[in-house]
Amino acid sequence: AQSVTQLDSHVSVSEGTPVLLRCNYSSSYSPSLFWYVQHPNKGLQLLLKYTSAATLVKGINGFEAEFKKSETSFHLTKPSAHMSDAAEYFCVVSYFTGGGNKLTFGTGTQLKVEL
Amino acid sequence: DGGITQSPKYLFRKEGQNVTLSCEQNLNHDAMYWYRQDPGQGLRLIYYSQIVNDFQKGDIAEGYSVSREKKESFPLTVTSAQKNPTAFYLCASSADRRSTDTQYFGPGTRLTVL
Repeated sequence: AQSVTQLDSHVSVSEGTPVLLRCNYSSSYSPSLFWYVQHPNKGLQLLLKYTSAATLVKGINGFEAEFKKSETSFHLTKPSAHMSDAAEYFCVVSYFTGGGNKLTFGTGTQLKVEL
Repeated sequence: DGGITQSPKYLFRKEGQNVTLSCEQNLNHDAMYWYRQDPGQGLRLIYYSQIVNDFQKGDIAEGYSVSREKKESFPLTVTSAQKNPTAFYLCASSADRRSTDTQYFGPGTRLTVL
């Protein structure tokens, strides 16, 4: 079975300071892992994905994530927060079943960026 | 522009009525998906389709129905049997069935039952 735990439901940072959004996963197989961002009343946009290549994955808008198998973690980071980063972030694990590719979503982390 | 379109953006329905949400993609993707999003929760899979004329139930299919008559279209019907249909509905597509494949999302439809 696959599962995802986002350890913080809300994170608040000041503009210009680092961002850390934490994610732990559980997977019976070698997982594919994703981070998506959602702005209010919008669809989800892919930030980055890990698919068993390099463990440090770089994404859009300066975000990156590191896959750590020993810790079953896939934390999302950004060196310097911008006001436009305020949104909800979802950590996602993907697995293949007989019927196709399925995603399991975390419950989301709301990122607030203050001046 | 290539992408996924969902219509309408906002939808209001009276109790006891069926309503159909539209999802269209011009990415030439084989696989399409419907998710439901409720406040404070992640997305939950309603139905998915890997190819035309084939679809499977997801985790919360009760009270919903779908069709996949064309590759680019995957409409979702919310029936009167769905006990709590007020939610944000998201459609997604991916090129194929691989677990490494990215799912791309539409802008969503917010359904409110009055």
